[in-house]
Amino acid sequence: AQRVTQPEKLLSVFKGAPVELKCNYSYSGSPELFWYVQYSRQRLQLLLRHISRESIKGFTADLNKGETSFHLKKPFAQEEDSAMYYCALRSGNQFYFGTGTSLTVIP
Amino acid sequence: NAGVTQTPKFQVLKTGQSMTLQCAQDMNHNSMYWYRQDPGMGLRLIYYSASEGTTDKGEVPNGYNVSRLNKREFSLRLESAAPSQTSVYFCASSEAMGTGGTETQYFGPGTRLLVL
Repeated sequence: AQRVTQPEKLLSVFKGAPVELKCNYSYSGSPELFWYVQYSRQRLQLLLRHISRESIKGFTADLNKGETSFHLKKPFAQEEDSAMYYCALRSGNQFYFGTGTSLTVIP
Repeated sequence: NAGVTQTPKFQVLKTGQSMTLQCAQDMNHNSMYWYRQDPGMGLRLIYYSASEGTTDKGEVPNGYNVSRLNKREFSLRLESAAPSQTSVYFCASSEAMGTGGTETQYFGPGTRLLVL
């Protein structure tokens, strides 16, 4: 079975502090992983995907196959980063989302 | 471009009633999806359509049917609504599936459904 786990429902950090949102997955193959974000009163949107190895809005995520993790990191959190973050895995034609982590950046 | 649009935004049904949730996209995307979002459950895929003329079951298809009316539109039907179907429903589309990058999904604003 393909599953995505986000262990933290809520996460609060101070502005300027580093932030890490955890994502672990179980998958019996080569995973394709994504991070989606939903800002207040906005639609769910793609933040980044592991195959692109990109940095978006200062966020990066590294796929660790040994630990089956795809944690999202940012060295210095900003107030505008406050949002709901979802980790997702694509398996064939199906997508599996985690339960989400609500990030609050405290001024 | 409006992107992905959904109607209605909010609906209240009584148990046993039927209704259809509408979704349309104007990005000429091939693939479309229906998800439901429940507290503590994240988003779960109900049905998807990889291309016009095809539909397939997702993770939680029971109690739902879908129709890919044309390339733009993908509807979700509840034939006999149950309280367990109270949820927020999201439609999404992507250019294509499994093409190494073009599967980025674009989401609609959601439909809140309450079944009494």
